Amino acid sequence: GQQLNQSPQSMFIQEGEDVSMNCTSSSIFNTWLWYKQEPGEGPVLLIALYKAGELTSNGRLTAQFGITRKDSFLNISASIPSDVGIYFCAGNGGSQGNLIFGKGTKLSVKP
Amino acid sequence: DAGVTQSPTHLIKTRGQQVTLRCSPKSGHDTVSWYQQALGQGPQFIFQYYEEEERQRGNFPDRFSGHQFPNYSSELNVNALLLGDSALYLCASSHNRGRRRFSPLHFGNGTRLTVT
Repeated sequence: GQQLNQSPQSMFIQEGEDVSMNCTSSSIFNTWLWYKQEPGEGPVLLIALYKAGELTSNGRLTAQFGITRKDSFLNISASIPSDVGIYFCAGNGGSQGNLIFGKGTKLSVKP
Repeated sequence: DAGVTQSPTHLIKTRGQQVTLRCSPKSGHDTVSWYQQALGQGPQFIFQYYEEEERQRGNFPDRFSGHQFPNYSSELNVNALLLGDSALYLCASSHNRGRRRFSPLHFGNGTRLTVT
């Protein structure tokens, strides 16, 4: 099935470092979302973006909806051990309907 | 306020069998979507139910079917199971009535299906 291009695939960082990950698509999306998934659990919504150029924060997390509407970025500042998990971007092209997910970025944080 | 709940949490079936997975949406939500997540992959959309009807469907064969009940809960049925159907099946709910903007999905913890 169709998937977004998400990078990097994995990251190994030191506690306190900042993290950046991004997602690109060949299609235009009207909505971008970022989710985090931990082992044995379902994805948890972190940030939802609805407008090209929009920059939204949720605590130490900041995400942006790219101007071209074909990409999105997620930044995590001052990482902590509980940030460990898999981060997924997801896009939606219509008013309601299905989400297209990236393959995820696996984040490991060394204390 | 209960979130999305799914049952069972784990299931082991034999190739060729049939399986039914269940989902109760988050309180206040009226739409249920089902996703399949293979190991190491992102979730893949199966279908979405709203007002007890299938509204959208992803690229999955007719062996995958579903149902939504008047209380908004939902079932996913898979017939003639194949080894490749082994995956984490996620249910997600959202509130769509009267909304024009996309309503973010809230996911349950999934059902881990193993087909042997």
